[in-house]
Amino acid sequence: QKEVEQDPGPLSVPEGAIVSLNCTYSNSAFQYFMWYRQYSRKGPELLMYTYSSGNKEDGRFTAQVDKSSKYISLFIRDSQPSDSATYLCAMGKGAQKLVFGQGTRLTINP
Amino acid sequence: NAGVTQTPKFQVLKTGQSMTLQCAQDMNHNSMYWYRQDPGMGLRLIYYSASEGTTDKGEVPNGYNVSRLNKREFSLRLESAAPSQTSVYFCASSDFILQETQYFGPGTRLLVL
Repeated sequence: QKEVEQDPGPLSVPEGAIVSLNCTYSNSAFQYFMWYRQYSRKGPELLMYTYSSGNKEDGRFTAQVDKSSKYISLFIRDSQPSDSATYLCAMGKGAQKLVFGQGTRLTINP
Repeated sequence: NAGVTQTPKFQVLKTGQSMTLQCAQDMNHNSMYWYRQDPGMGLRLIYYSASEGTTDKGEVPNGYNVSRLNKREFSLRLESAAPSQTSVYFCASSDFILQETQYFGPGTRLLVL
C-alpha cells in the first residue's frame, strides 16, 4: 500500500465549476500537508501549505486537512482555464523527506 | 532571481553511457534534492543534501550518485544509464528553516535507448 494515494484522473470540468481534489494517506505521523501545481512540461510549484488539521484559504483555493480520517482536499472555486494543470499533494513528518501523491490531471473547459 | 535552474533540458543516451545532470539555486537555500517523476508514480526522491558537504539516499538511489559541489550546486550522475532510468528529473531546494517548502526547477527529460 502506498503511503499517499491520489486519484490520477483525468478530471475535466466546465469553467466556473467548483473542483475538489483529494488525497488519502496511511502514515499518522505526517504533520505538514502541501499542494503543488504543475503545468505541462514545467516543474511543480507550491500552491498551498498547511500544518495540522483545519482549513486554509487563499483566494479561490481552500486546503482542508482531516487528520482523524487521514484525508486532505484542495477546493478550487470559480475554476478558470488557467487552472488546468496536474495537482500533486505532498506531506511530510519533519525535515527533508516529502511523500508525494501520483498527481491528478485537471482540465477546465471554457 | 532565477530560482532553481537545471541543465540540460533534454538528453538522449544509449544504454551504458554516463552523464551528469546539473542543478543550481540562487536563493541561498541550505537543502537540495533530486527527484524523478514517472507516470503513475508521482515524484520519488533519489538523493538529498541537507546542507553543504552532506548527502543522503532517498527512496530510489540505485544507479545514481550525487555531488554537492557548493551551497548553490547539486549534481546527479548516472554512471551507466539503463532504460529504466528514462524519466523526468527535477531538482529542488529549500530553506533550512522551512524545509517542507521546496522550490523546483524546470526539469530534465532523459531518454535512455
